[in-house]
Amino acid sequence: DIQLTQSPSPLSASVGDRVTITCQASQDISYLLNWYQQKPGKAPRLLIYDASHLETGVPSRFSGSGSGTHFTFTISSLQPEDIATYYCQQYNNLPTITFGPGTKVDFK
Amino acid sequence: QVQLQQSGPGLVKPSQTLTLTCAISGDSVSSTSAAWNWFRQSPSRGLEWLGRTYYRSKWSDNYALSVRGRINIKADTSKNQFSLQLTSVTPEDTAVYYCARNIASAGASFDYWGQGTQVTVSS
Repeated sequence: DIQLTQSPSPLSASVGDRVTITCQASQDISYLLNWYQQKPGKAPRLLIYDASHLETGVPSRFSGSGSGTHFTFTISSLQPEDIATYYCQQYNNLPTITFGPGTKVDFK
Repeated sequence: QVQLQQSGPGLVKPSQTLTLTCAISGDSVSSTSAAWNWFRQSPSRGLEWLGRTYYRSKWSDNYALSVRGRINIKADTSKNQFSLQLTSVTPEDTAVYYCARNIASAGASFDYWGQGTQVTVSS
């Protein structure tokens, strides 16, 4: 099974900060990685698909990059509504998919 | 706008069968470009994909190894919904369960989710 690790966790930042989360895959998954945001009591929300593509309706302050085993998710300027847990998810060996353990982002 | 509305009991006794339903609006369970999935989330297991059903020229399903043999996901075209059945549950099956859609052309990105159902396995 492909394992995903995320860092850091948790992450404390201030409004306006640039926030970066990394996701490391245990083997090459090409670009087959998505990013989700989850707020307490809510379902995950798709933000980025195929490593770097912004889902429709998602603010442009969110971005993703990377391929192979190393991926990065960035919030260019943290907003109060961005406080949440962020997950990466790979789909290199469909139908099985796996998620990372999550990175909780909160305010300093 | 696609909406997924989950229903089902929040408490299930050990050894019994967990059954949840996900009603679809704004899309069709028989769509040949979508797949209909179940997930669960718990502190111990994180976010876990359980399985999916989808229609192309026939109905197909796939299940996670962790629940294979105990799980069945099936579509009800008359009600435009799909369901999850998990048999022989134990307290380790306690989790929040979610249904979700993915579009085949979009790899495996899950763009619409149900609201989640907290299921507790306890006597």
